Amino acid sequence: GENVEQHPSTLSVQEGDSAVIKCTYSDSASNYFPWYKQELGKGPQLIIDIRSNVGEKKDQRIAVTLNKTAKHFSLHITETQPEDSAVYFCAANDMRFGAGTRLTVKP
Amino acid sequence: GAVVSQHPSWVICKSGTSVKIECRSLDFQATTMFWYRQFPKQSLMLMATSNEGSKATYEQGVEKDKFLINHASLTLSTLTVTSAHPEDSSFYICSARPPATGSGTEAFFGQGTRLTVV
Repeated sequence: GENVEQHPSTLSVQEGDSAVIKCTYSDSASNYFPWYKQELGKGPQLIIDIRSNVGEKKDQRIAVTLNKTAKHFSLHITETQPEDSAVYFCAANDMRFGAGTRLTVKP
Repeated sequence: GAVVSQHPSWVICKSGTSVKIECRSLDFQATTMFWYRQFPKQSLMLMATSNEGSKATYEQGVEKDKFLINHASLTLSTLTVTSAHPEDSSFYICSARPPATGSGTEAFFGQGTRLTVV
């Protein structure tokens, strides 16, 4: 099955700065890459996703980039806010998750 | 987005008893549902993938006789933790994927069930 690796495991930024989280995958046949945000005690919520026929997708302050050749994809959050603080997970289309990144945005 | 409801949100049970967790897709039919377990400060670990009307596919290391999965309808899947022990205490989460969309589309998550075995 797919193997997804995610870095970093923790990330602390100042409010207003940008945050970048990276994931790599092993199965070249994977074609769907979602990013989820999980707040304490809750289930994951999809925040953005990208399919293999697209290199970049943006939704307001959030963007995802995909490099199929290198088999990696990244989440970019700009102008971070304290409410962005959460754990973020990447996944590949058979729904296996990366290890997660705990993002802390300091006011 | 579509809604997936998981019940109960939390449960405490005695060691040796069984616990059933329900996962319902409220506004769409889910041919595929996924069950995950999440320990504190860890990632979601896929336990099994269930397809409506057929046997679940379990991940390596997950005991199928201990974690019974039933996906009898397009809107309901259940996970039964049999003969629960304290080490089974965890956060269990389900997700559901709409039909006829293959693996390249979003799955919707339930709110999770916190199981505590005492």
